[in-house]
Amino acid sequence: GIQVEQSPPDLILQEGANSTLRCNFSDSVNNLQWFHQNPWGQLINLFYIPSGTKQNGRLSATTVATERYSLLYISSSQTTDSGVYFCAVPNSGGGADGLTFGKGTHLIIQP
Amino acid sequence: ETGVTQTPRHLVMGMTNKKSLKCEQHLGHNAMYWYKQSAKKPLELMFVYNFKEQTENNSVPSRFSPECPNSSHLFLHLHTLQPEDSALYLCASSQDWGDSPGLPYEQYFGPGTRLTVT
Repeated sequence: GIQVEQSPPDLILQEGANSTLRCNFSDSVNNLQWFHQNPWGQLINLFYIPSGTKQNGRLSATTVATERYSLLYISSSQTTDSGVYFCAVPNSGGGADGLTFGKGTHLIIQP
Repeated sequence: ETGVTQTPRHLVMGMTNKKSLKCEQHLGHNAMYWYKQSAKKPLELMFVYNFKEQTENNSVPSRFSPECPNSSHLFLHLHTLQPEDSALYLCASSQDWGDSPGLPYEQYFGPGTRLTVT
């Protein structure tokens, strides 16, 4: 099956700093999602981004499908950005298809 | 609030108990999923239901039994669990294109049920 790798596994930053999280995948995909998992376990949808660049406030994401990677940018970090960030891709072609997740990047923003 | 609810939020059960987890989606979707998140492991897909039919079982032990009575509700029946089954169980839903192919739709997750097996 498809493999998803995320880096770095852990990241500690001061409030106000910028960060870049990376997601590599082993095969071509037609969808990619980024999630933020809060301390209570809720997965919050950040981006649905099969290709190109999207922005939402201080967050933006870029997926380069031909090179099999996606990047999540967080600017001017706030303590509420802390948590685990996951990327996930469909297991196969699509439709009602399960997602394969990476192991996540654990982000800690210190005041 | 993602439009997907799960109950209970926390559950402690003994190895001989039988319990059920419930998931409900209010998004008008027709595909629902169960995932398991264990400590120090990535989220793992367990089951997929599409238009109430199970379309994927990811080699899950038979002590986990899913049920999807309609497109809005999904259950996970638990019996004779092991301590290693302790985990966060997450439900998700998405749209599906039916007979017309297209891109995979975005999945939305519930808050999860944190299960402890003693």
